[in-house]
Amino acid sequence: AIRMTQSPSSFSASTGDRVTITCRASQGISSYLAWYQQKPGKAPKLLIYAASTLQSGVPSRFSGSGSGTDFTLTISCLQSEDFATYYCQQYYSYRTWTFGQGTKVEIK
Amino acid sequence: EVQLVESGGGLVQPGGSLRLSCAASGFTFSSYEMNWVRQAPGKGLEWVSYISSSGSTIYYADSVKGRFTISRDNAKNSLYLQMNSLRAEDTAVYYCAREGYSSGAADYWGQGTLVTVSS
Repeated sequence: AIRMTQSPSSFSASTGDRVTITCRASQGISSYLAWYQQKPGKAPKLLIYAASTLQSGVPSRFSGSGSGTDFTLTISCLQSEDFATYYCQQYYSYRTWTFGQGTKVEIK
Repeated sequence: EVQLVESGGGLVQPGGSLRLSCAASGFTFSSYEMNWVRQAPGKGLEWVSYISSSGSTIYYADSVKGRFTISRDNAKNSLYLQMNSLRAEDTAVYYCAREGYSSGAADYWGQGTLVTVSS
């Protein structure tokens, strides 16, 4: 099974900061990677798919990059509504998804 | 507006059964592949099961294989998850999620339904 490892697991940041979250796959997954945002008590929300394609309606301050095994999610200018937990997900492995363990972004 | 509404969660004893439902609206349900994803309290997301748009192709996570059954009724715009032989480790919020055409990822999620397995 493909394992997804995110780093860091959590960190603190301030509004206006540029933040980057990393996701590593245990084997190559091409660009079959998505990023989700989840706030407490809410369902996850799709931000990015195909490693770098912004889902409709998602602010342009979110961006994704990478292919193969190493991926990043960048928030260019952190807003108050961006404090949440972020998950990467691979969908390369046919019809079986695997998620990273999550990265919690907290207010400094 | 796309909506997915789960129901059927609750408290069940170990070894018991529960059937979750997911009512879909705002899109052509029969054209989309669907998944169940769960999240144990305070933990991350775990994919549970997949079903093709016609229902002819099904996959399960190893952790639920042989105990859970996914199904759908396209005439009723509904997705189901029959859960048998429940264990404490099945305690989680269960989400139904639509698989996007172009994305291949989960583009819409329900609000989730909590399943608690405890004596």
